[in-house]
Amino acid sequence: DTAVSQTPKYLVTQMGNDKSIKCEQNLGHDTMYWYKQDSKKFLKIMFSYNNKELIINETVPNRFSPKSPDKAHLNLHINSLELGDSAVYFCASSQQAASYEQYFGPGTRLTVT
Amino acid sequence: GNSVTQMEGPVTLSEEAFLTINCTYTATGYPSLFWYVQYPGEGLQLLLKATKADDKGSNKGFEATYRKETTSFHLEKGSVQVSDSAVYFCALGSNFGNEKLTFGTGTRLTIIP
Repeated sequence: DTAVSQTPKYLVTQMGNDKSIKCEQNLGHDTMYWYKQDSKKFLKIMFSYNNKELIINETVPNRFSPKSPDKAHLNLHINSLELGDSAVYFCASSQQAASYEQYFGPGTRLTVT
Repeated sequence: GNSVTQMEGPVTLSEEAFLTINCTYTATGYPSLFWYVQYPGEGLQLLLKATKADDKGSNKGFEATYRKETTSFHLEKGSVQVSDSAVYFCALGSNFGNEKLTFGTGTRLTIIP
């Protein structure tokens, strides 16, 4: 019973392609997040949704578009992939927006060639 | 803005050695402080937390004390094990409602038998 799951685990694609990463949580949490972790392990928040509403939108290129069809799912779509998008993307959830106890998924390693 | 500074890694210790990973922060008001751990190939997990000055968080033999006077939250363990090898992240959660965690750069810890 995985609490926060992501698919796919690995994604290798060419520059210019469009790809999506899916995330689901079965914890009943209200808030979900997308983080990007670079090769040096630096972790930066990209987006956060609370009950399907966008509440955090960091300085992220417009090519990245999150979508939350319901509060258990938060997907990330990336258009026109670039080499610099190569990273590990983590989905996370928390019980509510003001809770910093976050549960992370296993990550999706994206490699753009 | 908020920021977290962690000691540079990597850190390599022998089994049963004493561990300290330094963490200092800059924040407005009285943030909550956290240590997250990332084991190889996995997402981050909350290790311990402290929500107010002089609180001590503890878990799995790890401890950290919220020191407001020195704006620090150093992670310690008296006797490390090989299974403690991981990347450790110090993080700060603002209590001014911007609802996002600010992470340090992470410290990679390797324990050798």
